[in-house]
Amino acid sequence: EAGVAQSPRYKIIEKRQSVAFWCNPISGHATLYWYQQILGQGPKLLIQFQNNGVVDDSQLPKDRFSAERLKGVDSTLKIQPAKLEDSAVYLCASSPQRWARNEEQAFFGQGTRLTVV
Amino acid sequence: DAKTTQPPSMDCAEGRAANLPCNHSTISGNEYVYWYRQIHSQGPQYIIHGLKNNETNEMASLIITEDRKSSTLILPHATLRDTAVYYCIVRVENFGNEKLTFGTGTRLTIIP
Repeated sequence: EAGVAQSPRYKIIEKRQSVAFWCNPISGHATLYWYQQILGQGPKLLIQFQNNGVVDDSQLPKDRFSAERLKGVDSTLKIQPAKLEDSAVYLCASSPQRWARNEEQAFFGQGTRLTVV
Repeated sequence: DAKTTQPPSMDCAEGRAANLPCNHSTISGNEYVYWYRQIHSQGPQYIIHGLKNNETNEMASLIITEDRKSSTLILPHATLRDTAVYYCIVRVENFGNEKLTFGTGTRLTIIP
């Protein structure tokens, strides 16, 4: 079974530039998550999609971050304009709509490491 | 979701059992205990989860106290590849809105 694919793996940009990350979830997974992980901290949920609708975006800085999930499959996360404090690893995860009680739950990609200089 | 408390770091000798504790004193009856780990430069990886009974799989065992206020993840024969940050997460069952809220975890170092 193919895992969650993310690209690029690394990105370096200057502050005030824009950047986009792409995620391809596991086939058939209805739910897609974007997490931000700052160095030394645990991942923080930014946004959660159910198919192509947003379930939770309460921690997404909407003045500069946006995300979409067209057709309920792939997703992109954009930052415009980037700030120094946006330097982090951006993780995408996917899961079935209903979490089976005896099976693995959310599956994570390897992440995109963003450095803002 | 209930909060969890974990020690920031632990060491364990290679080949020995690694026992990682987690306190979740405010857990409620419908909240599951999950364990994920994150090896350097990778995304978090699922290990195991449970509600109130002890659980075992090919990776680890999960021991949950009778009052469910704490749990222990056991890696029976730790190897160098088990060096990672381990996250204990409490999650309420919420069909259609499942999510994981991570804390800062325990950094486990396996010593050769």
